Amino acid sequence: ETGVTQTPRHLVMGMTNKKSLKCEQHLGHNAMYWYKQSAKKPLELMFVYSLEERVENNSVPSRFSPECPNSSHLFLHLHTLQPEDSALYLCASSQEGRASYGYTFGSGTRLTVV
Amino acid sequence: AQTVTQSQPEMSVQEAETVTLSCTYDTSESDYYLFWYKQPPSRQMILVIRQEAYKQQNATENRFSVNFQKAAKSFSLKISDSQLGDAAMYFCAYRSTNYGQNFVFGPGTRLSVLP
Repeated sequence: ETGVTQTPRHLVMGMTNKKSLKCEQHLGHNAMYWYKQSAKKPLELMFVYSLEERVENNSVPSRFSPECPNSSHLFLHLHTLQPEDSALYLCASSQEGRASYGYTFGSGTRLTVV
Repeated sequence: AQTVTQSQPEMSVQEAETVTLSCTYDTSESDYYLFWYKQPPSRQMILVIRQEAYKQQNATENRFSVNFQKAAKSFSLKISDSQLGDAAMYFCAYRSTNYGQNFVFGPGTRLSVLP
């Protein structure tokens, strides 16, 4: 049991589809993150939510839309994606104010855009 | 801004041997945390070990230990008695103690363990 659960584990979608990725944590953390991990590239921070408010959006295209309805859940809504958006999307959570704790990650959603 | 560098994209080690993964970082802060994460083929990033910058003693966790050289801004990971299950991507990460500062990850080192 990781503490951070991501669904689905795999997703194949066409460029005109709309889908959502889900992340759930029951660790009592107050911050959640979306990362993109592409082959041969460093981890890319996409979105940060702290206390359910979005505090950072690293110039992510608008075809990615995050939603954080409460401190335990985080979604990433996808629409009209491009093939280059194919990647592993990782969710993480942490306790802001406790830098020593580190991040707890989920197992990721492997997204393929066709 | 802080940066983290891992100069070894790939490494290999014989089973039961010892291997050291390198990590250097750049920061102007004096207090921070450093981490090593492991990402096996199952994809989940798992915390291996952490080091507090204000502690001179190197952290150890069973077969994993670090060599923390604060002045040199170096944070290497030593894996002793390597096992097949140690094969994974290893990421070095920096975290400021300032509130709201996110992790800074290195590009990763892929470790293969040879039987």
